[in-house]
Amino acid sequence: DGGITQSPKYLFRKEGQNVTLSCEQNLNHDAMYWYRQDPGQGLRLIYYSQIVNDFQKGDIAEGYSVSREKKESFPLTVTSAQKNPTAFYLCASSIDRWQAPLDGYTFGSGTRLTVV
Amino acid sequence: GQQVMQIPQYQHVQEGEDFTTYCNSSTTLSNIQWYKQRPGGHPVFLIQLVKSGEVKKQKRLTFQFGEAKKNSSLHITATQTTDVGTYFCAGFGGFKTIFGAGTRLFVKA
Repeated sequence: DGGITQSPKYLFRKEGQNVTLSCEQNLNHDAMYWYRQDPGQGLRLIYYSQIVNDFQKGDIAEGYSVSREKKESFPLTVTSAQKNPTAFYLCASSIDRWQAPLDGYTFGSGTRLTVV
Repeated sequence: GQQVMQIPQYQHVQEGEDFTTYCNSSTTLSNIQWYKQRPGGHPVFLIQLVKSGEVKKQKRLTFQFGEAKKNSSLHITATQTTDVGTYFCAGFGGFKTIFGAGTRLFVKA
């Protein structure tokens, strides 16, 4: 079955540490996204990528970095510059960015990051 | 900038009661989507509305898109415990999707 796989499900980060969240899709989608979800707030866009080797900042990119070396993969690194990284991180994909997908964005199951 | 406001933030209902959540956009939308996120889960796509005044039904769920394409609602008739979760709207306009903050639904058996 096609879908998006995020790992790990839970991640604990020490102060000053960089951590990388994995996101892999086998849907052959061109566009991939990273969202952050905090309690009581909507999904906020961190980064998105429309094509391999290209990505753009979203609304809250500071303290995060991404890469898109393969169509299937879009890892997110939470750097030590991100002062409040504790949140639920969701990866999503769609056929392309220029139109809302008819069958919706496909989300991974998420990674819950906690700073310890 | 473009905003999508969703109300209420929380709703507690007795099983069998109806439930409605509303979304309002600051700008005209091309379309709007609705998602459901179960506790501890991830958002799952429910439906997309595209036409002005459009109404769609999925069993006990009724979705509406306003005439001006700036607001939308989701109505659940006779809630069940399986309806618990957070319902999000997502408005698409200007090649950008903005998610509402969601309405968390609690259903008491």
